[in-house]
Amino acid sequence: DTEVTQTPKHLVMGMTNKKSLKCEQHMGHRAMYWYKQKAKKPPELMFVYSYEKLSINESVPSRFSPECPNSSLLNLHLHALQPEDSALYLCASSQASSGPTLEYFGPGTRLTVT
Amino acid sequence: EDKVVQSPLSLVVHEGDTVTLNCSYEVTNFRSLLWYKQEKKAPTFLFMLTSSGIEKKSGRLSSILDKKELFSILNITATQTGDSAIYLCAVEHAGGTSYGKLTFGQGTILTVHP
Repeated sequence: DTEVTQTPKHLVMGMTNKKSLKCEQHMGHRAMYWYKQKAKKPPELMFVYSYEKLSINESVPSRFSPECPNSSLLNLHLHALQPEDSALYLCASSQASSGPTLEYFGPGTRLTVT
Repeated sequence: EDKVVQSPLSLVVHEGDTVTLNCSYEVTNFRSLLWYKQEKKAPTFLFMLTSSGIEKKSGRLSSILDKKELFSILNITATQTGDSAIYLCAVEHAGGTSYGKLTFGQGTILTVHP
C-alpha cells in the first residue's frame, strides 16, 4: 500500500468556522508533512512531523493548527481563516531516515474560504 | 537561502516532439533531486536522483543529475497529449536527523497539442 489518503476532497468554509483536514497513511512512515499550494504555484511546506513530534513550523499563522495523534494520522485544524487561505492542501509522508527519502503525496483537499 | 529554479516556465509543443526541462539548484545538505508530474491533484513521483551522471529512464521519460554543476534535466521523447501537466523539480535536503525537507522549483507547465 503506497497510498496517502486525505479527507475531505473539497471543503468550503466561512471565516468564522472551525474545520479539520485529515490525512492517513499505512506505509509505516514516521515523517509526515503539510503543504499549501496556490494555483499555478509549487507546494509550500507548512509543517513537518517526525516520530509524531512537530519538527518544523514554517512560520505558519496560528489559525492553522497541526496535530499528529498517532504514527498513521495527521490532522490540520482550521479556525478563523481568511479568503487568501483558499488553496490546495497537500499531505505527504516519507520514511524517517538520515538519507534520501521519497515523499508520497495525498490527493489533497481543495479548500475555499468564503 | 535554498533555491530551486526551473526553466522554461511554460512550453507548448505538438505531439511527437521531444522536450527538455531544466532544473538548477542551490541548497545546503543536498540529499536527492526529485521530479514530479502534477495534473489536477497531487504530484505523482517520476524520478529520484542521487548520483551524478546516471541516467534514469521510464518509458519515454528520462532524467539525469549533474552534482558538480548543480542541475538536472528531464527529457520527454515522442510527447503525447497525456504528457500535458506541470512538471515539478524538488530538491530534498536534510531538515533534521530523521527527515528531509523539499524545496520545489516553480514548475514547468507543459502543453502538448494534438
